Amino acid sequence: AQTVTQSQPEMSVQEAETVTLSCTYDTSESDYYLFWYKQPPSRQMILVIRQEAYKQQNATENRFSVNFQKAAKSFSLKISDSQLGDAAMYFCAYRSYRIRMNRDDKIIFGKGTRLHILP
Amino acid sequence: DVKVTQSSRYLVKRTGEKVFLECVQDMDHENMFWYRQDPGLGLRLIYFSYDVKMKEKGDIPEGYSVSREKKERFSLILESASTNQTSMYLCASSYRRGGTEAFFGQGTRLTVV
Repeated sequence: AQTVTQSQPEMSVQEAETVTLSCTYDTSESDYYLFWYKQPPSRQMILVIRQEAYKQQNATENRFSVNFQKAAKSFSLKISDSQLGDAAMYFCAYRSYRIRMNRDDKIIFGKGTRLHILP
Repeated sequence: DVKVTQSSRYLVKRTGEKVFLECVQDMDHENMFWYRQDPGLGLRLIYFSYDVKMKEKGDIPEGYSVSREKKERFSLILESASTNQTSMYLCASSYRRGGTEAFFGQGTRLTVV
């Protein structure tokens, strides 16, 4: 079974600085998706960034980028020029790409990292 | 825009009550999920459904049941609410197999007293 581990329960960063959130996962599969979700105090979970495992190029979305190391099973999120609105819980998630049975089509989440932005 | 709507943001129920949490999505997604979110434990899957009337147990199904009579609606049922079911409940939906991300509702904070 796949697992997702976020080893940093909380982190803090100064506004305008850069911060990296860590995520490791365990899988025997070769095709999968990895995601970073953001959950601000409003509780609405939104997708920050998505990475397809077959793509070697790291995904980027404006100030958000990932460092995807497939062999090491590592998927970290870098937030550049941190802003107060980036304060949130961040969840790393995994989804298999090739599913034999619909019943196995689950999305697996890590326990989350709470990010504080210091003004 | 994809919309996943949960019927309540806040609920307070008494121990022993039967509780229904409703979730509706408007994107014709095959998959729908119910998660429970507790501090330090992340998101834990309670049940998910990949088609109408189909359901699969997740990691913590005890004390819960679900119903999916229509594609767009997925209900979570607490047969007899207990205080240890006080939590945040998140509904999500996605396309089936080979689809990408899940889309979430705004969450229901349930307090059982």
